[in-house]
Amino acid sequence: DAGVIQSPRHEVTEMGQEVTLRCKPISGHDYLFWYRQTMMRGLELLIYFNNNVPIDDSGMPEDRFSAKMPNASFSTLKIQPSEPRDSAVYFCASRTGTSGLDTQYFGPGTRLTVL
Amino acid sequence: AQKVTQAQTEISVVEKEDVTLDCVYETRDTTYYLFWYKQPPSGELVFLIRRNSFDEQNEISGRYSWNFQKSTSSFNFTITASQVVDSAVYFCALSAQDSNYQLIWGAGTKLIIKP
Repeated sequence: DAGVIQSPRHEVTEMGQEVTLRCKPISGHDYLFWYRQTMMRGLELLIYFNNNVPIDDSGMPEDRFSAKMPNASFSTLKIQPSEPRDSAVYFCASRTGTSGLDTQYFGPGTRLTVL
Repeated sequence: AQKVTQAQTEISVVEKEDVTLDCVYETRDTTYYLFWYKQPPSGELVFLIRRNSFDEQNEISGRYSWNFQKSTSSFNFTITASQVVDSAVYFCALSAQDSNYQLIWGAGTKLIIKP
């Protein structure tokens, strides 16, 4: 079975540009998570969805960040306008179930560099 | 409050040595789950093991073993006869009802295996 798929794997953009990161969760998983990883702050949960509905977006740093999940097999994380401090690795993860027994499986990540 | 502490920022050993990575957690929940993930230099996050709070049996998988002790709130990870391919950052994480079963991450331990 395919794991979590993310695209692009690398993105280099200039400050002020719009960036869109994409994620396809594992089929059958009804939870989807977006994380950001930086050296300074480690792994941070940005937002998560259950059955395509955003449940908790308290980790989204600013209004410049937005996430959508139009269907069970696709989600986007958008940054508009991007800033150099947004440079990080962005991970998408998915899991099934409603208890902590269920494991989150991660995509390969998107390394974002904002110049 | 829930918290995961990985006090060892970096560990360096010579190949074939045994090494133990420490993980100490805090939670008020009686039902919780503990995880270890591996992040190799290539950057992806790889799930290694999940344990629930009712199962204190130690687990062994090849050269990997995990020691879960509720009395000391620890979930330590030992690699026996380490190999260069074990070089990675290892993360311990906690999931409990108090945090809606979202993963609470430790800061990670960077493990360097020298040939």
